[in-house]
Amino acid sequence: QKEVEQNSGPLSVPEGAIASLNCTYSDRGSQSFFWYRQYSGKSPELIMSIYSNGDKEDGRFTAQLNKASQYVSLLIRDSQPSDSATYLCAVIQGAQKLVFGQGTRLTINP
Amino acid sequence: DGGITQSPKYLFRKEGQNVTLSCEQNLNHDAMYWYRQDPGQGLRLIYYSQIVNDFQKGDIAEGYSVSREKKESFPLTVTSAQKNPTAFYLCASSLQGLYEQYFGPGTRLTVT
Repeated sequence: QKEVEQNSGPLSVPEGAIASLNCTYSDRGSQSFFWYRQYSGKSPELIMSIYSNGDKEDGRFTAQLNKASQYVSLLIRDSQPSDSATYLCAVIQGAQKLVFGQGTRLTINP
Repeated sequence: DGGITQSPKYLFRKEGQNVTLSCEQNLNHDAMYWYRQDPGQGLRLIYYSQIVNDFQKGDIAEGYSVSREKKESFPLTVTSAQKNPTAFYLCASSLQGLYEQYFGPGTRLTVT
C-alpha cells in the first residue's frame, strides 16, 4: 500500500461545477495535511493546509479531514478553467517527513 | 520581497560531470528540503536539513550531496554517481518540520 494515494485522473469537471479531489494515507499518526496545486512545468504551490478533523474553507476551496478514516479531500466550488492543474496531496508522517501522493490531474471544461 | 530562489532555471550537463544546484531563501525558515520530480510522478525527497550544519538523507539520497553552512542556503550537488540525473529539482523550506513547505521555482536538469 502506498503511503499517500490519489486517483491520478484525469478528472474532468464542467466550468462552474464542484470538483472533488480525494486522498488516503496509511500512517494513522499523521498530523499535518496539505494540498498543493501544480501547473504544467511549474513548481507546486500550497493552497490549503489542515491539521484537525472537519472542514476548513478558504475562498472557493474547502479541505476536509477525517483522521478515523485516514482520508483528506479538497473541494473546489465554482470551478474555473484556471483551476486546471495537477493537485498534490501531501501528509507529514513519522519524523517530520512530507510524503506526496502522485497527484490528480484536473481539467475544467468551459 | 520574501521567497525561495533556485538557479539556474535550466541546466545542461554531460554525463560524468558533477553539477551544483543553488537554493536560497530569505523567509528565515529553519528547515530546507530537496525533492526530485520525474515526468508524471510525485515528488521524492532527496535530502533535508532542520538546522544549520546538519542534514539527513531522504528516500533517494544516493548520488547526491548537500551542505548547510548558512541558514539561507542549501545547495545540492548531483554527482556522476547518480544513475538517472535528468529530472526537475525542487527546493522547499518551512518554518519547522511540521509546518507548511513552500517551494522555489525549480531547476530542470538535463544530462546527456
